[in-house]
Amino acid sequence: DVKVTQSSRYLVKRTGEKVFLECVQDMDHENMFWYRQDPGLGLRLIYFSYDVKMKEKGDIPEGYSVSREKKERFSLILESASTNQTSMYLCASRTGLWWNQPQHFGDGTRLSIL
Amino acid sequence: ELKVEQNPLFLSMQEGKNYTIYCNYSTTSDRLYWYRQDPGKSLESLFVLLSNGAVKQEGRLMASLDTKARLSTLHITAAVHDLSATYFCAVGMMDSNYQLIWGAGTKLIIKP
Repeated sequence: DVKVTQSSRYLVKRTGEKVFLECVQDMDHENMFWYRQDPGLGLRLIYFSYDVKMKEKGDIPEGYSVSREKKERFSLILESASTNQTSMYLCASRTGLWWNQPQHFGDGTRLSIL
Repeated sequence: ELKVEQNPLFLSMQEGKNYTIYCNYSTTSDRLYWYRQDPGKSLESLFVLLSNGAVKQEGRLMASLDTKARLSTLHITAAVHDLSATYFCAVGMMDSNYQLIWGAGTKLIIKP
């Protein structure tokens, strides 16, 4: 089974802090994704990476950056955290061999910015 | 611009009843996914639908796709309490192999 592991389930930070969210997958997947999930809005894509060191902006990249130095790890960075970034953050991965395969998700990080 | 609309957004039903969740999308797509999310848990892939008329079934859940109507349905037969969860549909963008547009989710509560 695919395992996508997010480093923290809950995180509390202060406004202005630089925040790192880490995600690791163990299935050698090429593609990785970061979403935020807010009630009534479904999932919105922040950034994705189709291979090591490659990244693309999603629908809501403002205030975020990402890093993918190794295939199994995809990091989301909040450059200067703000209260409107309080949310649930979900990481996902998917094989790059078959583009129509489903994404596999981690358990999520519930981030609160005070 | 691709938009995805699910309805209803909230559904409370009794065990043993049948019901259908609808997922409408606004522009052409070649792939549609259904996911389930339990409270505090991750999203679990249920179905992948890739062609017009596709129908997939797993236990009491059946999903179908009508690409001409731009509509997918998730039908629940003889609901049981364990099916209580939030269900999401996600639709692939034609100009991207990577991006999905997600519905807002349907929170389903099944009362024993």
